[in-house]
Amino acid sequence: DTGVSQDPRHKITKRGQNVTFRCDPISEHNRLYWYRQTLGQGPEFLTYFQNEAQLEKSRLLSDRFSAERPKGSFSTLEIQRTEQGDSAMYLCASSVSANSPLHFGNGTRLTVT
Amino acid sequence: AQSVTQLDSQVPVFEEAPVELRCNYSSSVSVYLFWYVQYPNQGLQLLLKYLSGSTLVKGINGFEAEFNKSQTSFHLRKPSVHISDTAEYFCAVRTNTGNQFYFGTGTSLTVIP
Repeated sequence: DTGVSQDPRHKITKRGQNVTFRCDPISEHNRLYWYRQTLGQGPEFLTYFQNEAQLEKSRLLSDRFSAERPKGSFSTLEIQRTEQGDSAMYLCASSVSANSPLHFGNGTRLTVT
Repeated sequence: AQSVTQLDSQVPVFEEAPVELRCNYSSSVSVYLFWYVQYPNQGLQLLLKYLSGSTLVKGINGFEAEFNKSQTSFHLRKPSVHISDTAEYFCAVRTNTGNQFYFGTGTSLTVIP
């Protein structure tokens, strides 16, 4: 168990730029989640994959956000035309089955200037 | 819809004293319950989980929690805290019919020497 890996750890970008984050889940985990966390808040659900299928997406997720998991292994989260309000920690998590807990990566901290 | 309430945003406690962090949830269906701990600039680590069976569950680092269905609560306890327990603690719930995990806003535990 090498854990969930996220890259990069930190990203600073200017408003209007596009950014892409990567998540490598634990190898045998077929469920993958993206969450966003702002200061003083708990993680907020963004989207969920089972294998390569994106099965759930938060209504809070604007059309500037898109996520993929093309081969059912790693996933990418892209934010287009970033805004200052997108500044947050983006957390990826994976799990092996329906009633197993989430295993989180260390997150990608995005700062939009 | 499901929700999680952590009533205490900050809990200061002296070293070696007992602590209880409160968590209440609302759900119309059966739930799985979790407590996670987050250290600065890191992802969330699982402390313990309740899936079924005994309502008293024990986790890592000497923590335990008790599921109370009638009061829809899942409070976290430790009989004697250490300095190293200083961190942010999140309660989370997942229904047995859905995929999302819902998190509370967190409780910041500060252990005072």
